[in-house]
Amino acid sequence: GAVVSQHPSRVICKSGTSVKIECRSLDFQATTMFWYRQFPKQSLMLMATSNEGSKATYEQGVEKDKFLINHASLTLSTLTVTSAHPEDSSFYICSANSGETQYFGPGTRLLVL
Amino acid sequence: GNSVTQMEGPVTLSEEAFLTINCTYTATGYPSLFWYVQYPGEGLQLLLKATKADDKGSNKGFEATYRKETTSFHLEKGSVQVSDSAVYFCALSDRNTGGFKTIFGAGTRLFVKA
Repeated sequence: GAVVSQHPSRVICKSGTSVKIECRSLDFQATTMFWYRQFPKQSLMLMATSNEGSKATYEQGVEKDKFLINHASLTLSTLTVTSAHPEDSSFYICSANSGETQYFGPGTRLLVL
Repeated sequence: GNSVTQMEGPVTLSEEAFLTINCTYTATGYPSLFWYVQYPGEGLQLLLKATKADDKGSNKGFEATYRKETTSFHLEKGSVQVSDSAVYFCALSDRNTGGFKTIFGAGTRLFVKA
């Protein structure tokens, strides 16, 4: 089946730095990818829809200047957490559609000290 | 708007017990329905899905039937194992421009004791 990868799987950074997370569809092309955030013991919250070749669509309450999304190709979307703070520590998960099925990456755990 | 409601956990069962996790949804149109499972420290895995009314999704002994009349998609398994301990998410997929947006329930944590 279709595979979605994320890199890195874990990252620890200092407060104030920026962190880039990559999401790749390995064996299919995805014009649309989604970025989710999951706090401990909570459900996934959709942050934004990443559209290849155009601007991302952000959900209400998500700061687009803080969470920069770039979908430069049909197999790669990146999420950059700019000027990260401890409250940005979370589990970030991306997904991509292949046909009508959505496939999820394994997630990236971000810890901001 | 669309939403998914599932029973609160945690659910604690003994091995070989019967499992039911309730899920109801609100949607305009005809969404696809899913159950995802998340094992500790991992991402989501699709467990099963149903794309239209009366469809039954099944996988690894788990089943769920798309009930339009009750707007439900309850997850069942006849005999759980310790390895089934995980968080289970009910979800619906709503087609929007460019793709499908998935809306998740809050998740139900399952503990299975030996």
